[in-house]
Amino acid sequence: EAGVTQFPSHSVIEKGQTVTLRCDPISGHDNLYWYRRVMGKEIKFLLHFVKESKQDESGMPNNRFLAERTGGTYSTLKVQPAELEDSGVYFCASSPRTREETQYFGPGTRLLVL
Amino acid sequence: QKEVEQNSGPLSVPEGAIASLNCTYSDRGSQSFFWYRQYSGKSPELIMSIYSNGDKEDGRFTAQLNKASQYVSLLIRDSQPSDSATYLCAVKMDYGGSQGNLIFGKGTKLSVKP
Repeated sequence: EAGVTQFPSHSVIEKGQTVTLRCDPISGHDNLYWYRRVMGKEIKFLLHFVKESKQDESGMPNNRFLAERTGGTYSTLKVQPAELEDSGVYFCASSPRTREETQYFGPGTRLLVL
Repeated sequence: QKEVEQNSGPLSVPEGAIASLNCTYSDRGSQSFFWYRQYSGKSPELIMSIYSNGDKEDGRFTAQLNKASQYVSLLIRDSQPSDSATYLCAVKMDYGGSQGNLIFGKGTKLSVKP
């Protein structure tokens, strides 16, 4: 069974540019989460999809971040315009809708904004 | 603000010794607790979950939970150099508007010396 995949693995952009990150969850997993780790800090929650619906987006830092999950499959996270403080590692995780709901993490996208 | 605290380390133990990793959390209502292992540049990998007070053993790993003290620990017996990684403690939000997302500590870096 394929795990959670993320694309790209690395992205280097200039301040003010737009970047779109993609996450493909494990097939059949209704829950999809986005997290971010800024250097020196802990991994922090951004938002949670259940199928195509946003269940919780309380962790989104500001309106420069837009997440979508069309059709309840893959998800995209767009940052527009990117700022220096957006640099970090963006992780996606997915889990099935079972009681235990173990979250399986993707390899992350390393974003550097110059 | 709900927090998870870990000693950042590094924690250095000789091969074959017991490594003890500790974590405290602030939200007394938390019900689900996880230990993830993260190798450098890789995604977090779940190694243990625990939901009830007491000990839970899985191979060389034992998770311990004390809800009264708001304390979670992970013991690694017969430590191997391959156990060298950062260990992340995570607490799942199980109620309110943030159902399902994980709150992470900063992680403890473990180094097992041959």
